[in-house]
Amino acid sequence: DVKVTQSSRYLVKRTGEKVFLECVQDMDHENMFWYRQDPGLGLRLIYFSYDVKMKEKGDIPEGYSVSREKKERFSLILESASTNQTSMYLCASSASGALGENIQYFGAGTRLSVL
Amino acid sequence: QKEVEQDPGPLSVPEGAIVSLNCTYSNSAFQYFMWYRQYSRKGPELLMYTYSSGNKEDGRFTAQVDKSSKYISLFIRDSQPSDSATYLCAMSANNAGNMLTFGGGTRLMVKP
Repeated sequence: DVKVTQSSRYLVKRTGEKVFLECVQDMDHENMFWYRQDPGLGLRLIYFSYDVKMKEKGDIPEGYSVSREKKERFSLILESASTNQTSMYLCASSASGALGENIQYFGAGTRLSVL
Repeated sequence: QKEVEQDPGPLSVPEGAIVSLNCTYSNSAFQYFMWYRQYSRKGPELLMYTYSSGNKEDGRFTAQVDKSSKYISLFIRDSQPSDSATYLCAMSANNAGNMLTFGGGTRLMVKP
């Protein structure tokens, strides 16, 4: 089974803090993604990466950065957390290439509260 | 207008009912269609995957795609309380594995 592990289920941080959200996948997937999920807004893509050290902006990258130093690990960084970044953050991974491999597998999510 | 529209619900049904969940979309390039199930405070998990038009059945679940109408459905037969979750549709134009467009999700409640 594909496993995508997010380091924290719940986080509480203060405004202005630097926040790191970590995600690890064990299926040797090329692609990794960070989403945030908010009521009424659904899943919104923040950043994705299709290879080590590569990153692409999604729909809402402002206030976030990412790091992918190793294939299995994709980190989301909030440089200076703000209250409007309180949300559920979901990491996902997928393989590239052949038919049927555009399925994204999700972690359990990190519920971040910024006070 | 959103690229993928999904009624947020909640949809409340009695146990044993047939449930119909739907999404409409505007991008005619979409060819790959997925349904994810998300339990409360958990990440989405893949439930059904279909390519192009037609039906696909897996146990109590049937996914249906009508590309001419840009409409996809998920049917759940003999619904159970354990089916209570949010159901997200997702779709993509290619199989490169990198971009999915999600609906906002429909919350389903199956009452015993």
